[in-house]
Amino acid sequence: EPEVTQTPSHQVTQMGQEVILRCVPISNHLYFYWYRQILGQKVEFLVSFYNNEISEKSEIFDDQFSVERPDGSNFTLKIRSTKLEDSAMYFCASSGSTEAFFGQGTRLTVV
Amino acid sequence: RKEVEQDPGPFNVPEGATVAFNCTYSNSASQSFFWYRQDCRKEPKLLMSVYSSGNEDGRFTAQLNRASQYISLLIRDSKLSDSATYLCVVSPQGGSEKLVFGKGTKLTVNP
Repeated sequence: EPEVTQTPSHQVTQMGQEVILRCVPISNHLYFYWYRQILGQKVEFLVSFYNNEISEKSEIFDDQFSVERPDGSNFTLKIRSTKLEDSAMYFCASSGSTEAFFGQGTRLTVV
Repeated sequence: RKEVEQDPGPFNVPEGATVAFNCTYSNSASQSFFWYRQDCRKEPKLLMSVYSSGNEDGRFTAQLNRASQYISLLIRDSKLSDSATYLCVVSPQGGSEKLVFGKGTKLTVNP
């Protein structure tokens, strides 16, 4: 069964550093997303990406964040100058025309 | 009012019990509705889509009441493996647009 894969599974970074979270969406999907889940809280939408551009972003997705599809398979989330409150599970998702499939997530810990 | 609101639980039930989860959403223009399940520290996984006519998948029955902006999930003959957090999820624009998650209701099925 095709799946969304994310790397790394866990990333520890120092406050102020930049991190890049990587995702390989399902190959024939056209819509890509990043969500985050702070421990004990709900899953929150960050950004959606279609046709090589951002189609929607939330208030959380400010100038600290950026997304890129550097080649035909990867989809990345870059977080610049990380803060303690960026510690969360980050989920990548992709969809064709209906349901969204989620990757297993990257647990980001900012220390 | 929260966009998607659920009873946080937790629900603790014996094996074989029937359990019902409820959810309300605030955006009357919402197009698509889902129930996802999330195991501890794992990604959300689609359990079922929810249609106005109601739909059933084995032991699971989902219903949608657009007039009341209310979604429900019924689990019959619960199994130990049903223990998880159940997430009510709404897509405001349908199609492949963003998903808005409720905080989830935690279910523990006891032997």
